[in-house]
Amino acid sequence: GAVVSQHPSRVICKSGTSVKIECRSLDFQATTMFWYRQFPKQSLMLMATSNEGSKATYEQGVEKDKFLINHASLTLSTLTVTSAHPEDSSFYICSAITAYQETQYFGPGTRLLVL
Amino acid sequence: SQQGEEDPQALSIQEGENATMNCSYKTSINNLQWYRQNSGRGLVHLILIRSNEREKHSGRLRVTLDTSKKSSSLLITASRAADTASYFCATDWPNSGNTPLVFGKGTRLSVIA
Repeated sequence: GAVVSQHPSRVICKSGTSVKIECRSLDFQATTMFWYRQFPKQSLMLMATSNEGSKATYEQGVEKDKFLINHASLTLSTLTVTSAHPEDSSFYICSAITAYQETQYFGPGTRLLVL
Repeated sequence: SQQGEEDPQALSIQEGENATMNCSYKTSINNLQWYRQNSGRGLVHLILIRSNEREKHSGRLRVTLDTSKKSSSLLITASRAADTASYFCATDWPNSGNTPLVFGKGTRLSVIA
C-alpha cells in the first residue's frame, strides 16, 4: 500500500527558532499534499493544501508567513514553522494523494513541543 | 465548521462486544471515509464508502451510509483490545478534485480485555 513518511517524528525546540518538518510519499507520486494540525484530544484541522510546483493554499486563520510550505517535488513537501512559540506546540500530520485518487494516505505525524 | 460530527465522543466496551460509532455531516459528498488513530500516532485508513453505496464490509468492519440523512455508521464486530483507538469519519467535497478531507471530532473507543 501507499506509504507516507514524516521526519522528524518528534521535535523539541526553543521559542523563536524555526523547525522544518518533511513529508514524503515513498512509493507513489503525490500531486497534492495536505498539512493538518491536531491539538490533544481534538480532531485534525486542515492548515494548507500543497500542490507540486505551485504555491500552497492556506486555510483561513493560518499565517502563510509563519507556516512555510514547499512542495518542490512529487514526493516531498516541507512545512517550516518559523519563529515557533509555545502555542505552536501540536501534532502535525501530512497526507498525500495522487491525481484522481480517492484515498488520502497519512504520515505518522510529527509532535512539536516549543519551550 | 467541521463537516463531520461523530457520536458518541467516547465509548467503552468489553472485548468481544460490538462497537458502533455514528457520523453526521452537513453537505453533499462524493465519499466518506473512516480512519483510526492510535494515541499520538498517524491515521490509518479503514474504509471508503462512495455516495452511491449504502453498505460496505471489510473484515470485522461494517460501514453504512445514508445520504438522505447525511449520516454514516461504523460497526466493529467482536472487538479486541487492539481496537482501542480514536475513530474519525472524514468527508470530501463533491466535484472538486483532490480536496482535503474534513474530519469529525472522533470517537474514542476503549476495549477492555
